Amino acid sequence: NAGVMQNPRHLVRRRGQEARLRCSPMKGHSHVYWYRQLPEEGLKFMVYLQKENIIDESGMPKERFSAEFPKEGPSILRIQQVVRGDSAAYFCASSPRHGTKAFFGQGTRLTVV
Amino acid sequence: AQKVTQAQTEISVVEKEDVTLDCVYETRDTTYYLFWYKQPPSGELVFLIRRNSFDEQNEISGRYSWNFQKSTSSFNFTITASQVVDSAVYFCALSLETSGSRLTFGEGTQLTVNP
Repeated sequence: NAGVMQNPRHLVRRRGQEARLRCSPMKGHSHVYWYRQLPEEGLKFMVYLQKENIIDESGMPKERFSAEFPKEGPSILRIQQVVRGDSAAYFCASSPRHGTKAFFGQGTRLTVV
Repeated sequence: AQKVTQAQTEISVVEKEDVTLDCVYETRDTTYYLFWYKQPPSGELVFLIRRNSFDEQNEISGRYSWNFQKSTSSFNFTITASQVVDSAVYFCALSLETSGSRLTFGEGTQLTVNP
């Protein structure tokens, strides 16, 4: 059973471009969480999704960021018009049910130049 | 709102020393879960332990041990006979039963074990 897969592992974007980060949860997991880790900081919750639904997006910046978890395929975190401050590690975690332990992916390190 | 505080930003020890990483949490919920994760220099998050709020038994796993005290809202982590490979950032985290598996992380403690 493969773990949580995130790709790409490293992503470089120029200011103003779009960044798409993908997360394939573990098999059988329908709950996905995205976290952001700014340099030298802890992880901060961004958004919680269940298949086709956004459950909690209280940690998402109001502009330029969006997330989806379609019925088929991976969850996508999309950042439009990236700025240098978006440079961070973005982690995805998945769990099979509400309240169970979540498993983390390896993260995507986004660098905006 | 819940909060996790790791007051020690950085700790440096010499190999074979014991080291304790502190974690203090805040929540008004009665059912919650506490976690420790390790983030080595390679950057991935390694799960170490999950405890629920009703289980205050201390736990030992090899050189690792955890001390959960509800009275002081603390969940401290001790590494016995530290090794260079223990060098990493360690995060304490909290999740509430009401918020699913969403985690609130502390800011982390950078542990450096010198040979």
